[in-house]
Amino acid sequence: QVTLKESGPVLVKPTETLTLTCTVSGFSLSNARMGVSWIRQPPGKALEWLAHIFSNDEKSYSTSLKSRLTISKDTSKSQVVLTMTNMDPVDTATYYCARIPGWLLYGMDVWGQGTTVTVSS
Amino acid sequence: SYELTQPPSVSVSPGQTARITCSGDALPKKYAYWYQQKSGQAPVLVIYEDSKRPSGIPERFSGSSSGTMATLTISGAQVEDEADYYCYSTDSSGNHRGVFGGGTKLTVL
Repeated sequence: QVTLKESGPVLVKPTETLTLTCTVSGFSLSNARMGVSWIRQPPGKALEWLAHIFSNDEKSYSTSLKSRLTISKDTSKSQVVLTMTNMDPVDTATYYCARIPGWLLYGMDVWGQGTTVTVSS
Repeated sequence: SYELTQPPSVSVSPGQTARITCSGDALPKKYAYWYQQKSGQAPVLVIYEDSKRPSGIPERFSGSSSGTMATLTISGAQVEDEADYYCYSTDSSGNHRGVFGGGTKLTVL
């Protein structure tokens, strides 16, 4: 069974750096063309794609957030980590990670349950 | 930056056909994906690569794409199909950046 689970702080202060971890099971991050995306959703608003990383270490970032985001993976731990610097209250959202399987071209098939992050002093 | 445009809302009666559109300049060259999100839940993939349906998704869900517009069709919409629907694709840059449409609230009543 394929599962993804996001973890990280519930509350961060403005200007702090957010670090989120996506722990996957049921598949390997080293499988050919396997990838993971990060997506967020502010309360009551639309989904926003943030970044993705593939097994070959190919990475891509949202144009508007590129300067603040870093995505990385630890294949041995089955984890994908997203860091976002200089957090602001507008970054308050539910953050999801989702799998990009080798048979889909950049689309996501299975999503984690999401983790809610509030930015407040 | 690249954008996908969806209507904010669509409303149908049970048993009617619901059509949700998604327009984007790169859609002639890039696949569209559709996600269903019910209140308080994570999104679920209902259509991939323009028109393919994952296992477990009811046959009443179908997708198509022509030119710069992709369409999600729900034939004989059910009350349980009431949800937000998002199209997703990638831009035409070599970086394959993802992008979601603004979402469409489907009301079935």
